[in-house]
Order: sequence, then C-alpha cells, then structure tokens
Amino acid sequence: DGGITQSPKYLFRKEGQNVTLSCEQNLNHDAMYWYRQDPGQGLRLIYYSQIVNDFQKGDIAEGYSVSREKKESFPLTVTSAQKNPTAFYLCASTLRERELETQYFGPGTRLLVL
Amino acid sequence: QQQVKQSPQSLIVQKGGISIINCAYENTAFDYFPWYQQFPGKGPALLIAIRPDVSEKKEGRFTISFNKSAKQFSLHIMDSQPGDSATYFCAASMRPGNEKLTFGTGTRLTIIP
Repeated sequence: DGGITQSPKYLFRKEGQNVTLSCEQNLNHDAMYWYRQDPGQGLRLIYYSQIVNDFQKGDIAEGYSVSREKKESFPLTVTSAQKNPTAFYLCASTLRERELETQYFGPGTRLLVL
Repeated sequence: QQQVKQSPQSLIVQKGGISIINCAYENTAFDYFPWYQQFPGKGPALLIAIRPDVSEKKEGRFTISFNKSAKQFSLHIMDSQPGDSATYFCAASMRPGNEKLTFGTGTRLTIIP
C-alpha cells in the first residue's frame, strides 16, 4: 500500500520549543515538499528537496529547517524562531521524470501552540 | 507576490447545478495547471490537470477550460453533488525540472440540496 504518511496527526508546541514533523513516502519519488496551510491563504511552500542530501528554501522558510538523508524521508523542524507556527502542515512528493507530474499529498499534521 | 489569483473565495451551488471556479496567472513561464480537491482535515488530492497546448480537458463531470491569451483557466463541475462539497485549489508550475507548484488561495464549495 503505497503513499505518504505524516506523523503525528496533532502536535502541540510550547513556547521556545523546537518540534519535528515526520514525513515518509514509499512511492520511490525523488522530490519532496513541505507546505503550510492557513485559512484563506492556500498552500505556501516552506522547503523542497529534489534529491537526497539537497534541499532549497521555498517562499516562507524562515523559522523552519529540513533534512533529506534518505530518499523516503523529509522531516521538518519548526524552530523557536517561527513566531506563528500554528497551522496545518502538508508534505508532498512527486516523481520527476513523468511528463505530467503529480504531487501526492500526505494527510497533514496540525500544529498548535500551547 | 501572488502569482495565481483564484475566485470566488466561497461558492454555494444547488445540487445538479454547475459550479465554476476561476483562476488567473501572471507568470507566462507556467506550463502545467492542476486542480486539487481537499476535504476537511485531509491533504489535497489531484482532481484534473491541463497543459496549455489544449483549450479544454474533460474528465467525467469535471472540465478545465484554458485561455492562454488571457492567462486564465477555470474549473467547471457539472451536475454538482453534495459529495463535491470541498475546498478546491488551482495551481501552476513550470516545465519538468521545476515542479514547484504555486497555489491559488482556494475556493470553499458547498452544494446544497
């Protein structure tokens, strides 16, 4: 059963705390992405990675960090520098070689600040 | 700078009617235009997509109309059903090799009996 898994479904962060959101895919996709979704603002790109050990900043990378040590995994850390982290976080992946590429999304993680 | 503008923000349509959502883009390098459907608490899922070499693409009750000169594209849902109630996002990206999607702000569609 192929797909993208994200964990946890809900995550609570205390002030000054770093938290890490997990994203795993078994689709053998090369590229992976992290988006943030806020009401009325659509999806905004945080970071993306097209190959292992390489990643690029998206439109709203400040206060976030990522790693891509394995093809199937792309964890996102929300650092204490992110002052407004409450949002729905979505991970996605895509196969680069396809003519009509499709981004497949995970079920999301909702991050709340205590 | 928002490169994909989507309207309306919300839409209420009677069951059996036609739902129409519009998007406009600015970057002429965009070459791929997908629409995603999202249910509450879930990740978006690809609904239908088009490249600018065709003016229309139809899949079942869903149709994309594309106007390259106007830099606009729209989603039409025929015979709208209550199960179509969801948030719809248009998006755009450039040729393979740069798969970053730029999303519109979304349209919350509600189908009423």
